[in-house]
Amino acid sequence: AQKVTQAQTEISVVEKEDVTLDCVYETRDTTYYLFWYKQPPSGELVFLIRRNSFDEQNEISGRYSWNFQKSTSSFNFTITASQVVDSAVYFCALSEAGTNAGKSTFGDGTTLTVKP
Amino acid sequence: EAQVTQNPRYLITVTGKKLTVTCSQNMNHEYMSWYRQDPGLGLRQIYYSMNVEVTDKGDVPEGYKVSRKEKRNFPLILESPSPNQTSLYFCASSTGDSIYNEQFFGPGTRLTVL
Repeated sequence: AQKVTQAQTEISVVEKEDVTLDCVYETRDTTYYLFWYKQPPSGELVFLIRRNSFDEQNEISGRYSWNFQKSTSSFNFTITASQVVDSAVYFCALSEAGTNAGKSTFGDGTTLTVKP
Repeated sequence: EAQVTQNPRYLITVTGKKLTVTCSQNMNHEYMSWYRQDPGLGLRQIYYSMNVEVTDKGDVPEGYKVSRKEKRNFPLILESPSPNQTSLYFCASSTGDSIYNEQFFGPGTRLTVL
């Protein structure tokens, strides 16, 4: 069975600090996809990034960067120079490609609060 | 505008009174899914559909039904709602060329069952 663990329930930082959100996953499939979504206080869910299991390149998008390591089954998300607008709940998610194709598993989420 | 719509956005009902939450997408997506969000539990998948007339159970399907008669619509049916189904519900869709593309989510339906 697939599983996603976001061990950090809540994180609080001061603006301009860097912060890393951890995501550890479990799957038996060799082909799978990992995602990060953001849920700001307004409640909508916004896609941030997708990674497939064959692409371990790290990715940077502005202040956001993602570190995918298959060896440790982790897909961590770093926000550099955090801003108040980054305050949100962040979800890591996993989709498998095999017999469970179509199933999506989300972590419990990490609530990030960025204080001015 | 490409979007996923859900109706109603808010609903208060009583135990046992059948209800339907509608979900519609205008992006011609093959894949659609329903989730519920509860405090501290993240999003849990209820049902999903890979295409018209193809539906399958997610992790928490008990007490729910779905149908997919048309590509654009994927209603969630609660035949006999109970208080433990009080939750925030999200519908999502994804492109068919790869169901592993990102999901587009509706605005959510907040359901309270008294």
